[in-house]
Amino acid sequence: DTAVSQTPKYLVTQMGNDKSIKCEQNLGHDTMYWYKQDSKKFLKIMFSYNNKELIINETVPNRFSPKSPDKAHLNLHINSLELGDSAVYFCASSQAGTVLNTIYFGEGSWLTVV
Amino acid sequence: ILNVEQSPQSLHVQEGDSTNFTCSFPSSNFYALHWYRWETAKSPEALFVMTLNGDEKKKGRISATLNTKEGYSYLYIKGSQPEDSATYLCASFYNQGGKLIFGQGTELSVKP
Repeated sequence: DTAVSQTPKYLVTQMGNDKSIKCEQNLGHDTMYWYKQDSKKFLKIMFSYNNKELIINETVPNRFSPKSPDKAHLNLHINSLELGDSAVYFCASSQAGTVLNTIYFGEGSWLTVV
Repeated sequence: ILNVEQSPQSLHVQEGDSTNFTCSFPSSNFYALHWYRWETAKSPEALFVMTLNGDEKKKGRISATLNTKEGYSYLYIKGSQPEDSATYLCASFYNQGGKLIFGQGTELSVKP
């Protein structure tokens, strides 16, 4: 069983469209994250949820909206997609914060906006 | 701005060579350092989490050390194998902000 699964793995879409990436973890973790790999290959945190509550919200455009229906799911909705949104998006989870607990990542979702 | 730097950005070695690479991070308000191994199209996989100055961790042929006073960590691979080819990411955690700051990774290629 995949611990952190995200779908779709690959997504090609046109500018202006609205799309979602879904994420589920079966590890029983309290905390889930969305990371974006930028053009320089850095993984940068976008959002973090703990027990469905938003705890980290980095400076990302408000076209990006996370939604956590329960603590095992954290979906990422992106409205009015722009060319610059093309990137790899990683979902992740950990038990109660990141200090000493390792983060478990999904395999990434490759988003290409054309 | 908190920056985590890794060097070199890429490394090519022969099978059997031992290698090491560096993660540099700001030492003030430091709390923990994570190392991950990432093969393309797969999930980044946790290797080590270290917190104390002088920490050393080992997993098979891979080991890591931590110097929190000067702000660096080394990752060592002894007797590299082709299956070690991957990108190795480090990330440091700070009290302020409560988030991991990732470096851009060292891409290791091991030739048979």
